[in-house]
Amino acid sequence: QVHLQESGPGLVKPSQTLSLTCTVSGGSFSSGGYYWSWIRQHPGKGLEWIGNIYYSGSTNNNPSLKSRVTISVDTSKNQFFLKLSSVTAADTAVYYCVSSSGYYYDYWGQGTLVTVSS
Amino acid sequence: QSALTQPASVSGSPGQSITISCTGTSSDVGSYNLVSWYQQHPGKAPKLVIYEVNKRPSGVSNRFSGSKSGNTASLTISGLQAEDEADYYCCSYGESNILYVFGTGTKVTVL
Repeated sequence: QVHLQESGPGLVKPSQTLSLTCTVSGGSFSSGGYYWSWIRQHPGKGLEWIGNIYYSGSTNNNPSLKSRVTISVDTSKNQFFLKLSSVTAADTAVYYCVSSSGYYYDYWGQGTLVTVSS
Repeated sequence: QSALTQPASVSGSPGQSITISCTGTSSDVGSYNLVSWYQQHPGKAPKLVIYEVNKRPSGVSNRFSGSKSGNTASLTISGLQAEDEADYYCCSYGESNILYVFGTGTKVTVL
């Protein structure tokens, strides 16, 4: 069973960069077979796919976030990362890191609330 | 690409069956058998209950079933129980540049 845990600041100032880390345990992080994804949920709203990364480093991002999103991976630490630049209040959300063994999301982190406010 | 359309709320009495619809387009739901469904209790992370239209992950009750017709997928919960009260989201892989589109979400209430 794969376990994921998000970590990072809970408060980010407008125009700054949101940075989150997801630490993965219980899975073969660097042997392939999984895509590692970020999904967010605005307060009281639905789910939004941000993007994903394969252990090799290839990524796919949601174009609605334009070029603000960077997803990277460190296989030596079983971690993957999210950076979202030039944040505004509209980026306030619960951010989940998630694993995908297919075209679905099978294991989820508990989520971390990130608030954008000065 | 817009979110998939779900009813805002569905309710039923214990023991009854309910069905939640998820309407997309020929570019996502209609083109791929890659619809998944997630259950989310308040303050918790979503949980996968159906994948690839009608497959159940290990450990998910067989009271949950999925289907698809054209551009609309459906999740049916039979023998409704109090623990099924939650928000439910569908998700589809799509051929647009947004690879994964989620539904608008449905609140299930057990009366």
